[in-house]
Amino acid sequence: QKEVEQDPGPLSVPEGAIVSLNCTYSNSAFQYFMWYRQYSRKGPELLMYTYSSGNKEDGRFTAQVDKSSKYISLFIRDSQPSDSATYLCAMSGRSGGGADGLTFGKGTHLIIQP
Amino acid sequence: DAGITQSPRYKITETGRQVTLMCHQTWSHSYMFWYRQDLGHGLRLIYYSAAADITDKGEVPDGYVVSRSKTENFPLTLESATRSQTSVYFCASSEGRLAGYNEQFFGPGTRLTVL
Repeated sequence: QKEVEQDPGPLSVPEGAIVSLNCTYSNSAFQYFMWYRQYSRKGPELLMYTYSSGNKEDGRFTAQVDKSSKYISLFIRDSQPSDSATYLCAMSGRSGGGADGLTFGKGTHLIIQP
Repeated sequence: DAGITQSPRYKITETGRQVTLMCHQTWSHSYMFWYRQDLGHGLRLIYYSAAADITDKGEVPDGYVVSRSKTENFPLTLESATRSQTSVYFCASSEGRLAGYNEQFFGPGTRLTVL
């Protein structure tokens, strides 16, 4: 079993809908939880990160971490066609991706229909 | 330009040939990383480096060699390319502070095809 599980999709929703993206993980040592967005033929770009459990909001995006369930989520409100991309969850231990590499999920391909 | 760059962006080679992928960053970040991205696997860490002349293996290091003689460069070499190494390769860098969050910044990727 892979350390981080993420449904690859594709996930197709109409414009304006609320999108929910999720990952589960098995390694209790993970402390930092990140969501990256990747447009086609581009490198991943950080959307948000969360340390330990809790919620974090940034505009239309909300990240949630439940360490007791080993489950993380990203919610996108009022989704726009420009949100169409692949969303990658990533996790790391002590240094938040500094002194160690990131462990990624497979990524979920999201399509927002105009 | 500032940031992290990779070259070449696209490469086609043949089985058995040696290929070197280049990565350059202008932030003077301590840490640099190489990942490969494949359908069905996501991004997987190949090698990383904490500083010049310090490198370590990641999840999938077999068939790859790295070096880091200068802080800003981190080349990845496939000594004898195989078809299974057909992939998109991403370089990343981070400050590597001992405490707190360290964002990893990714390059644009190199799309490698091994025939």
